[in-house]
Amino acid sequence: GNSVTQMEGPVTLSEEAFLTINCTYTATGYPSLFWYVQYPGEGLQLLLKATKADDKGSNKGFEATYRKETTSFHLEKGSVQVSDSAVYFCALSDGTGFQKLVFGTGTRLLVSP
Amino acid sequence: GAVVSQHPSWVICKSGTSVKIECRSLDFQATTMFWYRQFPKQSLMLMATSNEGSKATYEQGVEKDKFLINHASLTLSTLTVTSAHPEDSSFYICSARQALGSQETQYFGPGTRLLVL
Repeated sequence: GNSVTQMEGPVTLSEEAFLTINCTYTATGYPSLFWYVQYPGEGLQLLLKATKADDKGSNKGFEATYRKETTSFHLEKGSVQVSDSAVYFCALSDGTGFQKLVFGTGTRLLVSP
Repeated sequence: GAVVSQHPSWVICKSGTSVKIECRSLDFQATTMFWYRQFPKQSLMLMATSNEGSKATYEQGVEKDKFLINHASLTLSTLTVTSAHPEDSSFYICSARQALGSQETQYFGPGTRLLVL
């Protein structure tokens, strides 16, 4: 079945450092890929998405490119801020009309001043 | 973005009792809502898909008689954990699907933490 694998955290960075959170997936067909972010005490929020190969999703300085050849969707940001501290989830949809999502285990990011 | 609320945000109950969790889409109508369960340091696991006006679709391994789902209106779905036991203690999260033309987005609630003593 479909699955998503994320790097284990926590990832600890200093402010303004470069961020990469790895995500790879296994899927049949052509899934859409997502990154969600969960701030403390809040629900998951969609950060960015890509619906087909070579698409790049971007939002709030974060980027991820849908790489079909490596089945990856790594999240990157050039300069992190303390306010980016959160848990980041990579996910894919199985392509059905109901948009059922399969999530990775989440990666906690801690950014210190 | 759209807002989804859950109530209660946390609940403690005795073993053997039933607990109802509400999920509401506050500013849009959702024909489809989803219920997830999240264990500590683990991912969200889809439990069931809740369809307005029809029976929920449960994922493999989820007991439908234990986790009762009702989606009686376009803005409300409820999850009732019947005869709760300590192993049911978890973080329950709902999401609501918004469809605008060809675009579909899921909006998540903040979650409900259940502790069964």
